[in-house]
Amino acid sequence: DAKTTQPPSMDCAEGRAANLPCNHSTISGNEYVYWYRQIHSQGPQYIIHGLKNNETNEMASLIITEDRKSSTLILPHATLRDTAVYYCIVKPTGTASKLTFGTGTRLQVTL
Amino acid sequence: KAGVTQTPRYLIKTRGQQVTLSCSPISGHRSVSWYQQTPGQGLQFLFEYFSETQRNKGNFPGRFSGRQFSNSRSEMNVSTLELGDSALYLCASSLGQGVRETQYFGPGTRLLVL
Repeated sequence: DAKTTQPPSMDCAEGRAANLPCNHSTISGNEYVYWYRQIHSQGPQYIIHGLKNNETNEMASLIITEDRKSSTLILPHATLRDTAVYYCIVKPTGTASKLTFGTGTRLQVTL
Repeated sequence: KAGVTQTPRYLIKTRGQQVTLSCSPISGHRSVSWYQQTPGQGLQFLFEYFSETQRNKGNFPGRFSGRQFSNSRSEMNVSTLELGDSALYLCASSLGQGVRETQYFGPGTRLLVL
């Protein structure tokens, strides 16, 4: 699986957009980018995933660069409840289950 | 639709004992995966079961085993517990059909080995 690089921590003011970057320069053509988050001591929560087009759902938007070497998860209006560790994962389509988690980005949303 | 459930939520054992953890997947999901999370190693994949067969396996010793029943419920077992097995054990379920799969995680079982 392709390796991902994320900043260890970020801060965001409540109500502002949180933009979480992820570098995956060795991504292959058939690998999807997934984002999960983990709020303290809970199970990881699925956020969004994409292959090469930008994606949006009720939680977030995912922007993948044209060369697919990096992506950005956008939380449009961060709230205190969005404080969590965010994991960017690159996963081949043929290995549905085996997620390889890195160290993620710890997002702190403040008043 | 109910989410992934795991029992028990908390467990305390002593070294040398064995433990069995249970996971009930989301209704209709046939794949169940197990992960271990520790402060030092982070989240690591243990194994995946699909249709009662182990389909993927991580890099863990044979003391860690699992099984899946015909109703897709899964159990994992750790024998001869060591202090280092203290961790949050997470179960995740998915349809098991590959393309664009999404795994959904349960709340985890926190195991403390004394």
